[in-house]
Amino acid sequence: TQLLEQSPQFLSIQEGENLTVYCNSSSVFSSLQWYRQEPGEGPVLLVTVVTGGEVKKLKRLTFQFGDARKDSSLHITAAQPGDTGLYLCATRGGGADGLTFGKGTHLIIQP
Amino acid sequence: KAGVTQTPRYLIKTRGQQVTLSCSPISGHRSVSWYQQTPGQGLQFLFEYFSETQRNKGNFPGRFSGRQFSNSRSEMNVSTLELGDSALYLCASSYRGENNNSPLHFGNGTRLTVT
Repeated sequence: TQLLEQSPQFLSIQEGENLTVYCNSSSVFSSLQWYRQEPGEGPVLLVTVVTGGEVKKLKRLTFQFGDARKDSSLHITAAQPGDTGLYLCATRGGGADGLTFGKGTHLIIQP
Repeated sequence: KAGVTQTPRYLIKTRGQQVTLSCSPISGHRSVSWYQQTPGQGLQFLFEYFSETQRNKGNFPGRFSGRQFSNSRSEMNVSTLELGDSALYLCASSYRGENNNSPLHFGNGTRLTVT
């Protein structure tokens, strides 16, 4: 089973600051998904990246897939309290059925 | 379009009991997957049902089982509950299923506490 390591585990910053969270694996990803989960709710898919070097933008969120497809990052510009949540990366393959998730980054944006 | 609905939202059970959780997928979705989320292990895949057949299975003991009905609604059953089964159980539906990289739509989960 492919293991995904996410860092940092916890991050608390002030509104308006920028931040980057990471998702890494020792194996090559076939593709990678990023989810956000808010308290009391299920994860919501933000983006899927497939091609090495790919960059996707979703308003203030920028997702990057490493050239070797073994790592990915999520950068948030001018963070807002509404960005608070658990950010999860997930992938398929590596011998496991279903999605394999990282343990996530707990992000808190303070007003 | 209604989202994925899971019932009940909260459950408290005693060790040794059994429990049944329910999931209604988005209309038109034929695949339902179940995941367990705990603070220690994160999200882990339990199994997937597609058109009433179990198509994929994760690495969980046989005490965890499920089924899917002809209207695509799914139930998950856990027998002989253990303290370690306390978790958030999430259901996700998709149109073409896990094998086809179809986007998953998650419900808000059932929080199970075993005492």
